[in-house]
Amino acid sequence: RKEVEQDPGPFNVPEGATVAFNCTYSNSASQSFFWYRQDCRKEPKLLMSVYSSGNEDGRFTAQLNRASQYISLLIRDSKLSDSATYLCVVNRGSSNTGKLIFGQGTTLQVKP
Amino acid sequence: DAGVIQSPRHEVTEMGQEVTLRCKPISGHDYLFWYRQTMMRGLELLIYFNNNVPIDDSGMPEDRFSAKMPNASFSTLKIQPSEPRDSAVYFCASSLGSSGTTGELFFGEGSRLTVL
Repeated sequence: RKEVEQDPGPFNVPEGATVAFNCTYSNSASQSFFWYRQDCRKEPKLLMSVYSSGNEDGRFTAQLNRASQYISLLIRDSKLSDSATYLCVVNRGSSNTGKLIFGQGTTLQVKP
Repeated sequence: DAGVIQSPRHEVTEMGQEVTLRCKPISGHDYLFWYRQTMMRGLELLIYFNNNVPIDDSGMPEDRFSAKMPNASFSTLKIQPSEPRDSAVYFCASSLGSSGTTGELFFGEGSRLTVL
């Protein structure tokens, strides 16, 4: 079983739609969680951290469910520019380690 | 400010040849990571360094792979001999302090390796 699992998609949605991505992780000791965005043939970039209480950044909302070891990302009012691959990222272990494990990513295509 | 710089951007080589990928992290960053990305396996952590010291190389696929960080501003990932299954995009990333809590890795643009 992979440490971080995501539905690869692709998710094809019209502009203005709301779309949600899910991610599960296997290491219950993980303490830190993040979403990264990767555009086609580009490097990954940090989109947002995921906090236990849930957090928002504009049209993006991230949530964490520790009991189910599940992370989600909600994008409201999708824009064409949101088209990308979204990577769920978890730190391996409970300590302040630098070891971040990436999921394979969920591809989003927003259509006009 | 300059980001993480990787070279070469593209490399095409033949099976059995030695490949050396290079990385210059962001100045002042104390963590450096090497990742490999393929369609099949996604982004895999190969090795990471803290203050030039290798901390975890458990992701290095086999003895054909080696990585060094002789100083704070330079790292190499070497594959010798290369095989077609090594074809991938190799990313170098750096961070300030532990990325375990901040989550912010700064990636280079990657080195796309094709082994024929």
